[in-house]
Parts: sequence; C-alpha cells; structure tokens
Amino acid sequence: GAGVSQTPSNKVTEKGKYVELRCDPISGHTALYWYRQSLGQGPEFLIYFQGTGAADDSGLPNDRFFAVRPEGSVSTLKIQRTERGDSAVYLCASSKTGLGNEQFFGPGTRLTVL
Amino acid sequence: SQQGEEDPQALSIQEGENATMNCSYKTSINNLQWYRQNSGRGLVHLILIRSNEREKHSGRLRVTLDTSKKSSSLLITASRAADTASYFCALYHQGGSEKLVFGKGMKLTVNP
Repeated sequence: GAGVSQTPSNKVTEKGKYVELRCDPISGHTALYWYRQSLGQGPEFLIYFQGTGAADDSGLPNDRFFAVRPEGSVSTLKIQRTERGDSAVYLCASSKTGLGNEQFFGPGTRLTVL
Repeated sequence: SQQGEEDPQALSIQEGENATMNCSYKTSINNLQWYRQNSGRGLVHLILIRSNEREKHSGRLRVTLDTSKKSSSLLITASRAADTASYFCALYHQGGSEKLVFGKGMKLTVNP
C-alpha cells in the first residue's frame, strides 16, 4: 500500500515569506507527527496529532509555526515569516495508534529559506 | 538530556563483517527503537524493544537492551553494501508525550 507522502519535496522561499508543507499519512493511521531534521542531526520532534487534535505541540519552536489536521488525515505545517534558521528537512510520520509504536516516515520536504 | 547518544559516531567495515552500534541514555524509557536513514529510502523503522525485553531479533538484526545500564546495542550481522546508512536510536519515554526522541545518529559505511 501507499506510504506517507509529503509535498512539495523541495521548497525554496525568501526570508519573511509564508510556506505550507503537506503530509498525507498512511490511510487509517490515527497518529501523525511532524519532525525537523538539520544536517548531521537526528529528527527533532515538532508536533503530534491524535485524530484531528494536536495532542502535543511542545516541540514547535515559536508561534510562527502552526499545524493543522482538520479531518484527521492530511496535515499541513504552516510557517509564517520564515527565517534562514528555518531551513531544514521537515519530516512527517504516521503511526497506526501512536502509543509508542513504530512510526512510518515520509520522504520529507527540504525547505530552504534564502 | 532525553535523547540517546549513539556510539561510535562513524564506522567503516568490509562487506560480510558484523557491525555493532550502541545507544546510551539517561532517563527512563518505555521502549527504544532503531531507525535507518539513507538517501534512497528515507527514514525506516528497523526494530522496537520494550523496557521489559532484553533481546530481540529481526533477520540479520539483533538488538539488546540493558535498562540497568541504560544502554542498547544494535548488531548487524553479515553486513552488505546496502546497509550503508545512518542509524538512529529513538527513545519513547514513560509518562507523558507521545514523541520519539532521536539521537544524532551514527554513520555506517560498508565497503564492497
């Protein structure tokens, strides 16, 4: 079956612009996660959804970052007033139930802020 | 820190040899997971070991967990060039957040 998909695969934007990154999880997975990965580092947790609700957004670095999952499936990570430090690979993962079970990752969106 | 630390940071071996990587951590965990990441397939789950388990096997992979020493090891037997990748341990902590906390990873190179 289809895995987790993310669009776009690459996004180049200018400092100060707004961007949206999309994640399509595996069908039927109730848990969805966003991570950010910088070069040479492991993925860093941003936010976790269980169904439609953000159950844990403790990893969002500041209020410029926001994510939604209105119908409990597709999720969008939104970044306002982008800064050069936001450049990274943004990874989405889904899990059948969450609860510490294995997570299935998408290929990521490489965001470059000029 | 809640994250695990992989050791060594880099390892280069010949095809057919075994590769061992270790992960040490400081806080209590519910389970520990190992992931592999290469440019071709992204981040892929390898194996999960729960805090009440000591050893698990999956194909050529063997994982051990010692909660008293707060450490885990991943052994890859009979390595192949295709095993070349970065390997991460990820911690699922007891009580509270659902997030996985990843280490910085270790780079394994298997030379043909």
